[in-house]
Amino acid sequence: AQKITQTQPGMFVQEKEAVTLDCTYDTSDQSYGLFWYKQPSSGEMIFLIYQGSYDEQNATEGRYSLNFQKARKSANLVISASQLGDSAMYFCAMREAGEDYGGATNKLIFGTGTLLAVQP
Amino acid sequence: KAGVTQTPRYLIKTRGQQVTLSCSPISGHRSVSWYQQTPGQGLQFLFEYFSETQRNKGNFPGRFSGRQFSNSRSEMNVSTLELGDSALYLCASSSTFRIMNTEAFFGQGTRLTVV
Repeated sequence: AQKITQTQPGMFVQEKEAVTLDCTYDTSDQSYGLFWYKQPSSGEMIFLIYQGSYDEQNATEGRYSLNFQKARKSANLVISASQLGDSAMYFCAMREAGEDYGGATNKLIFGTGTLLAVQP
Repeated sequence: KAGVTQTPRYLIKTRGQQVTLSCSPISGHRSVSWYQQTPGQGLQFLFEYFSETQRNKGNFPGRFSGRQFSNSRSEMNVSTLELGDSALYLCASSSTFRIMNTEAFFGQGTRLTVV
């Protein structure tokens, strides 16, 4: 069964430093997608970055980059130059191209999240 | 372009009652998914709809149901509320279905408290 594991319940980082949030996943599918979302205290989930299982290069979006190691089934999020506004919960999620219901769905499986606190 | 709108934002209900939550997706989006978020269980998939049809369903009891209308707006209903149903209910809309890298845009959620 597909599963996402985030082993860091909380992380601290100094403003302007880089931080890595860990994510490992378990799936038997060859085709899958990995997502990172940010959830501030307001509750809304904000999309950050996507990595497909067949993508040969690591995804980058501004200050966010994804360290994708397929053989190790890890998809760590790297935030460079942390800002105070980066303080939030961060969730890793996976989507599979499952066979149920005729093929891929938009269903996301989420990890338990990492609470990031950026200190001035 | 307006984002995903969920109403109401906050709700307090008594055990045994039923509740209906509403989600208006981004204009043009035809796929809507629902998630329940609790401190104990985290984020769990409830169900998803595309073109008024339920396409996938999570592992929740039959008290949880939903539907999608022809304008893509979606509602979810929880009957016979239990204390454990207290949660943040998040709705996500997507422009397509069955495309792996389709981004899901989330609303701010409805926080349901059952007393």
